[in-house]
Parts: sequence; structure tokens; C-alpha cells
Amino acid sequence: QVQLVESGGGVVQPGGSLRLSCAASGFSFSIYGMHWVRQAPGKGLEWVAFTRYDGNKEYYADSVKGRFTISRDNADNTLYLQMNSLTAEDTAVYYCAKPKAIFGVVVSLFDSWGQGTPVTVSS
Amino acid sequence: IPLTQSPSSLSASVGDSVTITCRASQGIASALAWYQQKPGEAPNLLIYDASSLETGVPSRFIGSGSGTDFTLTIASLQPEDFATYYCQQYNTDPLITFGQGTRLEI
Repeated sequence: QVQLVESGGGVVQPGGSLRLSCAASGFSFSIYGMHWVRQAPGKGLEWVAFTRYDGNKEYYADSVKGRFTISRDNADNTLYLQMNSLTAEDTAVYYCAKPKAIFGVVVSLFDSWGQGTPVTVSS
Repeated sequence: IPLTQSPSSLSASVGDSVTITCRASQGIASALAWYQQKPGEAPNLLIYDASSLETGVPSRFIGSGSGTDFTLTIASLQPEDFATYYCQQYNTDPLITFGQGTRLEI
């Protein structure tokens, strides 16, 4: 079955950096675009970033553009999120999410999520 | 495309039927999904394409709507249904947006 396992979260000072990983298994990772979604404490879901299946196109939320970089290693079935210049507003649980294939077409709604990795930005 | 859910929270009892509304700021055809999230857990997909039930989801979850106005109805609430519900549009795939959530309490 599909498994998504995030890691790399932790406590970091404002202005610091962190790299999140998401290990994927149970599906053909290399043919799916993948997303990161975050959730601040007590708040709703916020889309963060997307990478195309081949890693050659990325999209970002305005709130992270220029600071975060999404990438992937299809040989290793792993998704990454490099986060730089972190602020308190980046404190959240970060989820990687797998889009759903509907009649063979991959659509950006999510039928599998990881357990999330918490990131706390604090001095 | 901003999505506005209403109400932000509601209280109900086991056996009740409840309806949550999601309104898009512009037309999104039927490109809308609904998720359920329980505390400490990742969201779980309930409905996609506005009204299609995800495999394994009980039939008491009913989605409807198109264009800008959508609803999620939960018929005959069960104890395990008390959670937070989110809508999500994917008409501008992959630039997706979520509603702010509706907390369903006993």
C-alpha cells in the first residue's frame, strides 16, 4: 500500500534552514507530481509547493516563494523541501501528499498523506 | 481561488444530519474535494469531483454542487464523524487552495 514518511522536522532559530524529506513507497513515484502542504498549530491546511513528476517544473505559494525549494529524487523515491530564511510564521506540521489518479489522469487532490513532520521556528 | 466555508463550527448530535457549505470566489466547475481531519492525524479524502465518494468512505457522506457553491452533507451522524472538514479546489491544478475548515462538535 501507499506509504509516505516525512522526516527532518525540528526546532530551528529564525533565519535558519531545514530540509524535509518524504520517503515514498507502494506506488510509481516517478509518474506522480507531488505536493507539500502545511498546517500551523490550531489552523487550517495551507498548500506550500508542487513538483512535476520529472522534477523539471515547480510551483510555490506566495508565502514561501524565494525561500523554499521543492525537489525530488526519482531513483530514491524521495521528495524534499529545502526551507531557508525561516520565520515564526513557518511553524507548522508539514505533510507530503500524493495526488489521486482518476481514470489514469493525475489530479491535485490527495488520496494519501504522510503522518507529517513538525517544524518549530523559535529563538 | 479563495474558498469560504460556512459555518466555521457547528454542534450536532449523533443521528443528526448536517450540511457544510463551501463557496468559491469564481467558478471551478466540479473540481472540488472534501476532507475529514481528526486531531493529530493527516486529512482523509472523502469526496472528489464535488460528488464522487472516495473508496471506503461511508455513503452517509454526500457531496453536491458545481460552479461556485458546494455542500457536504453528513446524514445520520456517527460518533466518529466529529472532526474538522475542509474543502479544496483543484480547478487551477496544481495551484490548489483549501477552505478554512469547519469544526463539527458534539
